[in-house]
Amino acid sequence: QQQVKQSPQSLIVQKGGISIINCAYENTAFDYFPWYQQFPGKGPALLIAIRPDVSEKKEGRFTISFNKSAKQFSLHIMDSQPGDSATYFCAAPTGTSYDKVIFGPGTSLSVIP
Amino acid sequence: GAVVSQHPSWVICKSGTSVKIECRSLDFQATTMFWYRQFPKQSLMLMATSNEGSKATYEQGVEKDKFLINHASLTLSTLTVTSAHPEDSSFYICSARVSGAGNIQYFGAGTRLSVL
Repeated sequence: QQQVKQSPQSLIVQKGGISIINCAYENTAFDYFPWYQQFPGKGPALLIAIRPDVSEKKEGRFTISFNKSAKQFSLHIMDSQPGDSATYFCAAPTGTSYDKVIFGPGTSLSVIP
Repeated sequence: GAVVSQHPSWVICKSGTSVKIECRSLDFQATTMFWYRQFPKQSLMLMATSNEGSKATYEQGVEKDKFLINHASLTLSTLTVTSAHPEDSSFYICSARVSGAGNIQYFGAGTRLSVL
């Protein structure tokens, strides 16, 4: 079974700090590697996505770093705010389908004042 | 852009009844939509891939007669949970893929199903 591993499972960060969540995938890198943010009782929302031919992408306080040789990518949230408290899921291409993705198990982030 | 609307957001039904959940792409045409199930504090589990004008592709272990999917137009997919039982209680989420945007999916707000 193809897997996407995500760590840590949970994370507590002080307001203003940097939150870092890591993901590791197994398949060949093609298409996008997205990160989704989910609040309780809501559907996931696309946060940021990167293509494997790019090593880093930054959008506001959110940055994805991509290491194709290590098959790893990470999400960095700069100046973390209490409003960032949510569950974050990474996703990776399945390697067999051009439209499906595999989601990581999720990281629960709590940003404390 | 890329807004996906899901309705209803919450439904309670009696055991044995059927429930229909709608998923609409509001500002784009979605040739492919997906249906997920999510248990508390767990990740998203893909149930099926819905393609406009053709039969849905179900993931292994998902009962196609229990979870009927119809993708009759480029903006609407429906999931019908037939003869629902308490074990079908869950959070169901749909998503849609924008043509030309690769594997990026945009999600609906989800439907909380409670079967009594």
